[in-house]
Amino acid sequence: GIQVEQSPPDLILQEGANSTLRCNFSDSVNNLQWFHQNPWGQLINLFYIPSGTKQNGRLSATTVATERYSLLYISSSQTTDSGVYFCVLNRDDKIIFGKGTRLHILP
Amino acid sequence: DSGVTQTPKHLITATGQRVTLRCSPRSGDLSVYWYQQSLDQGLQFLIHYYNGEERAKGNILERFSAQQFPDLHSELNLSSLELGDSALYFCASSVGRETGNQPQHFGDGTRLSIL
Repeated sequence: GIQVEQSPPDLILQEGANSTLRCNFSDSVNNLQWFHQNPWGQLINLFYIPSGTKQNGRLSATTVATERYSLLYISSSQTTDSGVYFCVLNRDDKIIFGKGTRLHILP
Repeated sequence: DSGVTQTPKHLITATGQRVTLRCSPRSGDLSVYWYQQSLDQGLQFLIHYYNGEERAKGNILERFSAQQFPDLHSELNLSSLELGDSALYFCASSVGRETGNQPQHFGDGTRLSIL
């Protein structure tokens, strides 16, 4: 089956820093989403981005489907950005989660 | 607030028992998804329903079953529970019919603990 790899697995940053999270996948996909799981366990949909670039405030995402990767950019990090970021793929009615990048923003 | 409601928030039961988890989707959403998050397996897709019809199955065990009712709420039934079934179970909803092809909105989850 399709493989998903997220990097880095863990990231610790000072408040105000910028970061780039990467998701590589091994085969073509129907679509891709980025989710954030906050420290209280809530899952929030950040981007639905099968291709191209989208921006939402301090967050933006780019998916290059032909090269099988997606990037999530977080600028001017805030402590509320802490949590785990999941890349989620859909192919042939299968939904596959990456293992996530755990982000910790220090005040 | 995502608009997706899951009940109960917490559930503690014993091995061998059966439980039912409930999910009400956002108003206007016809699709309901169920996911399991455990320490061992991470997040896994279990099953997707659209307007009462099963659309796709993921890693759902035979001891588990789900259904979506005419009012669009969904229930996930877990039977013959084992210690390894302890996990956080999420429900999500979206508008469209095709599995995973629209943004999903998640409930807060039901935390199931098997003693």
